[in-house]
Amino acid sequence: ETGVTQSPTHLIKTRGQQVTLRCSSQSGHNTVSWYQQALGQGPQFIFQYYREEENGRGNFPPRFSGLQFPNYSSELNVNALELDDSALYLCASSPPKGKGTEAFFGQGTRLTVV
Amino acid sequence: AQRVTQPEKLLSVFKGAPVELKCNYSYSGSPELFWYVQYSRQRLQLLLRHISRESIKGFTADLNKGETSFHLKKPFAQEEDSAMYYCALSQKAAGNKLTFGGGTRVLVKP
Repeated sequence: ETGVTQSPTHLIKTRGQQVTLRCSSQSGHNTVSWYQQALGQGPQFIFQYYREEENGRGNFPPRFSGLQFPNYSSELNVNALELDDSALYLCASSPPKGKGTEAFFGQGTRLTVV
Repeated sequence: AQRVTQPEKLLSVFKGAPVELKCNYSYSGSPELFWYVQYSRQRLQLLLRHISRESIKGFTADLNKGETSFHLKKPFAQEEDSAMYYCALSQKAAGNKLTFGGGTRVLVKP
């Protein structure tokens, strides 16, 4: 059973650019959630995808968008990057309903916006 | 709106001493509470959840709905318990959308 994997591990972008982060969910999991973790803070929920559709969104602007693919992998896209977008971005996958409530996290992508 | 507060940023204890990490939450519905842990250079992982009522690695946590708290306790801390601990809340049946506290760093000294 493979765990949640994220790519890339580190990324440096310039203010105003666009970025795409990728996540492969754990085998058998059909729900993927994305979190932003700024330095010294706890993770903040960005949005969740279930069966390729957005299933809930946190307090993030529309320039944060996502996708989920038929194999349940997911992408997080951020447009018009701002300096404050610098953070660790975490992906978490969860099993189908009725098979547990635990969220399994990836190792994260560290994004630096300069 | 739901909110999770961990008042201590850092807890430093000696090996063998008790350790208690505080967590308070605000939520009007029926929450599910979790403790997640992140050891050095490892990913965030679930430590325990309130519905399981289990002890993991000697840690226990009791949900107190009256005080809206979910404090994490261990009677005898070990050096390997040094890590970052996050309390988190999710709405029941809301698909694991977690609200995290700011985290508490635990340092267990020899």
